Amino acid sequence: AQSVTQPDIHITVSEGASLELRCNYSYGATPYLFWYVQSPGQGLQLLLKYFSGDTLVQGIKGFEAEFKRSQSSFNLRKPSVHWSDAAEYFCAVGSNTGNQFYFGTGTSLTVIP
Amino acid sequence: DADVTQTPRNRITKTGKRIMLECSQTKGHDRMYWYRQDPGLGLRLIYYSFDVKDINKGEISDGYSVSRQAQAKFSLSLESAIPNQTALYFCATSDWFADIQYFGAGTRLSVL
Repeated sequence: AQSVTQPDIHITVSEGASLELRCNYSYGATPYLFWYVQSPGQGLQLLLKYFSGDTLVQGIKGFEAEFKRSQSSFNLRKPSVHWSDAAEYFCAVGSNTGNQFYFGTGTSLTVIP
Repeated sequence: DADVTQTPRNRITKTGKRIMLECSQTKGHDRMYWYRQDPGLGLRLIYYSFDVKDINKGEISDGYSVSRQAQAKFSLSLESAIPNQTALYFCATSDWFADIQYFGAGTRLSVL
């Protein structure tokens, strides 16, 4: 069965520090991978996606993620976090084969001054 | 105007009542989805629709029903609401199934 794991429920970083949010997936074929962000009281917004090609993908707001097939991971990174990055982050995996799409349980990010 | 609009934004109801949550979109997408979000559980898919005539159950469809009235409209109903259906509900659309999904702002439902 396909699944998505975000091992960190909550992360706190200082403003200006680097950030890495972990995401691991379980899927037999190459999946479509996504990171979404949810600000308080808002719906989810796409940060970036990986479908194929270059395994390092750039997204909005200075975020990037790297697809590592050998580790079944798609970790999200940002070199310098801003206070406005405080939000909930969701990794998701989908496939047109069998019409499967799953979200991880999310990582809540707190940014301290 | 938002691409995906959910109404109402907040709703409090009592156990046993019938509730309908509505979703409309201006993206022109064929695919629409209903999710519920619970703390610590992320988003779970309730129902999804590929077009007006194609509706499918998701991971947690029990206790819910849906109606796709038009390409742009997808409603979620709770026929007899129960307290454990208290959650944040999201509607989303996409151009194809594993593509980028566009979300509404959510409906916060409380069942007392």
